[in-house]
Amino acid sequence: DVKVTQSSRYLVKRTGEKVFLECVQDMDHENMFWYRQDPGLGLRLIYFSYDVKMKEKGDIPEGYSVSREKKERFSLILESASTNQTSMYLCASSLGTGGRTEAFFGQGTRLTVV
Amino acid sequence: KQEVTQIPAALSVPEGENLVLNCSFTDSAIYNLQWFRQDPGKGLTSLLLIQSSQREQTSGRLNASLDKSSGRSTLYIAASQPGDSATYLCAVRNDYKLSFGAGTTVTVRA
Repeated sequence: DVKVTQSSRYLVKRTGEKVFLECVQDMDHENMFWYRQDPGLGLRLIYFSYDVKMKEKGDIPEGYSVSREKKERFSLILESASTNQTSMYLCASSLGTGGRTEAFFGQGTRLTVV
Repeated sequence: KQEVTQIPAALSVPEGENLVLNCSFTDSAIYNLQWFRQDPGKGLTSLLLIQSSQREQTSGRLNASLDKSSGRSTLYIAASQPGDSATYLCAVRNDYKLSFGAGTTVTVRA
């Protein structure tokens, strides 16, 4: 079974802190994604990566950056956390882009910025 | 831009009743459609994937249909159980990206 592991289930950070959210997948997937999920807004794509050191902006990249130095690991960075970044963050991975491509998600990180 | 809509937003049924969840999307040029389950405070669990060339997919009590030309998918859950209570999300794939609906929150009453 594919396993996508996010480093923390819950995080509480202060406004202005630099925050790192880590995600690791164990199935040699090329593609990795970061989403945030908010009530009434659903899941929105922040960034994705289709290869090591490659990244593409999603729908809401402002205030975030990402790093992918190894294939199995994709990090989301909040350069200076703000209260409007309080949210559930979900990491996902997938192999390829064809019709059989299935996305697998981690357990989520609930981030609270105070 | 792909828009995905799920109706209804919430559903409450007595145990044993069949569930019908709807998903519609605006751009029919999709690679596939995936149904997920999400329990409160948790991540997404993949339930079924339907490729764009398929009409339906089944797994146990779950059956999902896809009508790509009309931009619709339906998830059927037979003989619902209290353990089926969760939020169900559909997502459509265009290239790398998944676009999600807002979900249907299901409550199955014992």
